[in-house]
Amino acid sequence: AQKITQTQPGMFVQEKEAVTLDCTYDTSDQSYGLFWYKQPSSGEMIFLIYQGSYDEQNATEGRYSLNFQKARKSANLVISASQLGDSAMYFCAMREGLQGAQKLVFGQGTRLTINP
Amino acid sequence: GAVVSQHPSRVICKSGTSVKIECRSLDFQATTMFWYRQFPKKSLMLMATSNEGSKATYEQGVEKDKFLINHASLTLSTLTVTSAHPEDSSFYICSARGTRGRAGETQYFGPGTRLLVL
Repeated sequence: AQKITQTQPGMFVQEKEAVTLDCTYDTSDQSYGLFWYKQPSSGEMIFLIYQGSYDEQNATEGRYSLNFQKARKSANLVISASQLGDSAMYFCAMREGLQGAQKLVFGQGTRLTINP
Repeated sequence: GAVVSQHPSRVICKSGTSVKIECRSLDFQATTMFWYRQFPKKSLMLMATSNEGSKATYEQGVEKDKFLINHASLTLSTLTVTSAHPEDSSFYICSARGTRGRAGETQYFGPGTRLLVL
């Protein structure tokens, strides 16, 4: 069964608009971590934001925020005031367990294109 | 933020040769490093988990004799693709997880290595 699901293979957004990238997850663990990474065409994976399953508040990092809805098992990434440089692949990932060296499981990604 | 380097960034080799890729955590100690493979337009596929001072844990379907991993120190892990063949051509990317603080929660990725086997 797919543990991380990103249902939007591609999205096109006008510059300066806000954009929401969807991510749902499946786990029976009580402790887990959720991540979003950005991968531009250069290939590097850039860490954007992290949300722990016990965090009561939604994580925010500058223009990025994570809309964490635990009961619905969703962890959508919201980018406010999009910029041309935001065009890239975006991956949602989950780490099961908060301790130790559990591996990350990635979704299939969403290709975001920002139009001028 | 935490910095992970990877070397080389790009390598072209002949079929049958071995290629070594290095992954270094530059400003933090990494007890665990991970090696991923990514095909064009696809997601990252975990190949193995590398723990300092112990044997790597390989994912199902990954040949450990083909992809040798060594994690000799808290800042360096290496992946050696032995007797490379054209089907091994791919983008290989490593990540490192720190021991405490923000780096302890998060995996930070290297810039990746594009391998082309002729």
